[in-house]
Amino acid sequence: GQQVMQIPQYQHVQEGEDFTTYCNSSTTLSNIQWYKQRPGGHPVFLIQLVKSGEVKKQKRLTFQFGEAKKNSSLHITATQTTDVGTYFCAGLTSRDDKIIFGKGTRLHILP
Amino acid sequence: KAGVTQTPRYLIKTRGQQVTLSCSPISGHRSVSWYQQTPGQGLQFLFEYFSETQRNKGNFPGRFSGRQFSNSRSEMNVSTLELGDSALYLCASRLAGGWTGELFFGEGSRLTVL
Repeated sequence: GQQVMQIPQYQHVQEGEDFTTYCNSSTTLSNIQWYKQRPGGHPVFLIQLVKSGEVKKQKRLTFQFGEAKKNSSLHITATQTTDVGTYFCAGLTSRDDKIIFGKGTRLHILP
Repeated sequence: KAGVTQTPRYLIKTRGQQVTLSCSPISGHRSVSWYQQTPGQGLQFLFEYFSETQRNKGNFPGRFSGRQFSNSRSEMNVSTLELGDSALYLCASRLAGGWTGELFFGEGSRLTVL
C-alpha cells in the first residue's frame, strides 16, 4: 500500500551538530506536513509544504519538498537540547486523498 | 484559548468490550480528526469529521467508528476490543476541513486492552 518511509529511525547527535531526517513517499503528495513530538507529549505542527521544490525556513529549521512531490526533508542546524523529540512527516496522497504518516525520527541530543 | 481536550486520559478495558472516547476541539474549529499511535506502527489516521460529516477515512476496520456533534465535539467508538487496539488515541482539530493548515492535537487517551 501507499506509505512514507522515514529515515533514520533514531539519531544521536552532539549538541551543536546538525541533524536531518528524510521522508520518501511511494506516491505523489498534494502536500506534506511536519510535526514534532516531545517525549510524553502530543504532536505539534511545525510546517506545511505544498509546492514542488518548496523550501521553508524557521530559525534553525529548514524544510524542503522535492521536485516530484514525493520526498521531503527537515534539517536542523546547530542542534540544541530543546530539539529533543520525534519528528515525523504526514502527507496527503494526490491520487486518493489518503493521509499517510512517516514513522518518525527520534532525535537524542548528547550534551 | 483552551486547547483540544480529550477524555478520558487513561482507561483499561478487556477484550470484547467497547470504548467511547471524547474530544472537544478548540473553539471555532470545525474539523476534528482521530489518530491511533502505537510504538510499532507510529501514527495512523483514523477519520476526519467536518460539520458533522465524515470527510476522510483511514484503513481501519468497521469496529472503529466516530461521529461529530453540532457543537463540533466528537466521539470515537471502538467495539469488540482486541489486544492490538491498545494504543494512544489522539484527537486533533483545525479550522477548516481537509488536510491543510495547522493541526492542533490533544493530549490523547491511552487505552489498554487486557
